Order: sequence, then structure tokens, then C-alpha cells
Amino acid sequence: GAVVSQHPSRVICKSGTSVKIECRSLDFQATTMFWYRQFPKKSLMLMATSNEGSKATYEQGVEKDKFLINHASLTLSTLTVTSAHPEDSSFYICSARDFRSGSYNEQFFGPGTRLTVL
Amino acid sequence: GESVGLHLPTLSVQEGDNSIINCAYSNSASDYFIWYKQESGKGPQFIIDIRSNMDKRQGQRVTVLLNKTVKHLSLQIAATQPGDSAVYFCAVRGAGSYQLTFGKGTKLSVIP
Repeated sequence: GAVVSQHPSRVICKSGTSVKIECRSLDFQATTMFWYRQFPKKSLMLMATSNEGSKATYEQGVEKDKFLINHASLTLSTLTVTSAHPEDSSFYICSARDFRSGSYNEQFFGPGTRLTVL
Repeated sequence: GESVGLHLPTLSVQEGDNSIINCAYSNSASDYFIWYKQESGKGPQFIIDIRSNMDKRQGQRVTVLLNKTVKHLSLQIAATQPGDSAVYFCAVRGAGSYQLTFGKGTKLSVIP
């Protein structure tokens, strides 16, 4: 149980285009999902916390108009990188919180999406 | 806020030896700690966790030690195998929060 998927697994796009990344909790409902960004050989940096049915909460320094987050259902959150530029190239990872997990380990990670902007 | 560091960015061990990966955190109010393994191009994989009311927890070939006095966390891997080669991250959660703060990561290389 507690499987999180991401789609696509990798995407290459031209500079100036927008890219949407999906994060799905496959066997549980997630009222909260998290989006992380990871540069090569670096750690995971939290970008935003996505709550179902409400606006996302962005971390300091993350442009909310650049990284649009929509959490329209209990099993799906999307991250749209708008007007992507080469510096947005990164590994984007989502996690979903299963608040009914009954254990402290309630955050489950997706496999990541590799974005390359040419 | 929380800051999480790691003492060594890389660690090389011989196959069969034990590995120890360390992590330091700053917020004494942190109440939950997790170790993740990340292989190249993949998301983090849960290894083991520990709550702040414990100082040691064991799993299969892995042990996590927590020293709250000095705000230090370690992961011990027994009889390290080539399949253990990966980057290991500690993550810390503050009391009353469900957000995780990740450490910088240690790349473990196992020499056959």
C-alpha cells in the first residue's frame, strides 16, 4: 500500500513552454501533498505544500506564479512549470501524506520527474 | 527553522564492512527522524525511522541511533552490500508539523 506515482517520469521541453507534472496517490487519499525540487548532487528542497481544495502554501523564495499547484482531488496534485527556462531544469519529486496511516511515517514519495528545458 | 547537515558528503566502504552515516540537526523540538535511500534517478525510499522518545531502533541490517543531547542522528548498515550503494538522506520533522527537512545527503559507495 501507500504508493505514489508521478507522470511523466521525464520530460524535455523548449524554453518558454509550460509543463505539467502529475502526482497521484494510488491506494490512499491524500489531503496534503508536497512538492520538492532536487538539483544534481543536492538535497530535496521543499517548494510547496498542497492541500486539497485550497491554495498551496509556498516556501520562501518559490515563485507561486511560476510554479502553479492544483490539488483538485484527494488523489491528484499537479505542478505546472510555466514559461520554463533552462534554470528550471531539475528533478521534481512529490510526496503524499496519508493522514490515516496510523504511524508516524505518513509521507510517501513518488519516483520523481526529470525536467530538462532546452 | 530547522537546518539539517551531514558530516560527510561521501563514504566508501568494502563489501561486508559496516557503514555509519551521520546527521546533525538544529531544532531541539524535532520529534521524528527518518532515513531515506535514494538511487540515481529515483525518489527517496524509506529505510527506518525513530521518534524522539527513543534512542535506538533496529531494522533488518540497519540501526538508527538518536542522541538528543547533541542533536545527532546516525544510520548504521551492517554487512554492507553493493546494493546499498546510493545517497542516504536524513529527514527531520518538527513537533506539531508534518513537513520534513532533509539533510544534504551522503553518497555511499560499496567496493566489491
